[in-house]
Amino acid sequence: GAGVSQSPSNKVTEKGKDVELRCDPISGHTALYWYRQSLGQGLEFLIYFQGNSAPDKSGLPSDRFSAERTGGSVSTLTIQRTQQEDSAVYLCASSLRGYNQPQHFGDGTRLSIL
Amino acid sequence: RKEVEQDPGPFNVPEGATVAFNCTYSNSASQSFFWYRQDCRKEPKLLMSVYSSGNEDGRFTAQLNRASQYISLLIRDSKLSDSATYLCVAGSARQLTFGSGTQLTVLP
Repeated sequence: GAGVSQSPSNKVTEKGKDVELRCDPISGHTALYWYRQSLGQGLEFLIYFQGNSAPDKSGLPSDRFSAERTGGSVSTLTIQRTQQEDSAVYLCASSLRGYNQPQHFGDGTRLSIL
Repeated sequence: RKEVEQDPGPFNVPEGATVAFNCTYSNSASQSFFWYRQDCRKEPKLLMSVYSSGNEDGRFTAQLNRASQYISLLIRDSKLSDSATYLCVAGSARQLTFGSGTQLTVLP
């Protein structure tokens, strides 16, 4: 597709369940980022993938959060044993190369934990 | 201190007004700078990159002052559709940092 694609658009789940969020970056973009944004707040960096390098996981808030990127393309963000404070919009972005390039965002996944 | 600081606003201006946003960054290694806009409940979208010599795109002008570690965005002849949150971004080889955004409302 032409842009960054995320799925699902919305996810409602019960506290304690695991969730998987998917991101399909723009074709040819080697860098992929995950952020989350709570209502009325700024972007919170979670994790960054660049090519075959080890990911920068410095933004992951706890060990319940993990992400992988298979084949240098699609990425999955997994949240285990979800908590109510995990409710937010999870945004994925990609860029042609690394941090010095502009990022293009997907529409996000709105996650609600009941 | 936040790495990228912006006045959160809100800025409420009449249609046709000129409005300026300022942003400071603390990482002297920052090499790339951008302005994004984010509409309510939408994803951020790239508005423009910011170059050392300053750059203009229609009604929008961005400027960079490396000595003062300061970035600005000027919007001329503001339109109702300019209402959004404007995010300042500074990037280096090791990280990209978003400001918390400045909220703009253009009033009829």
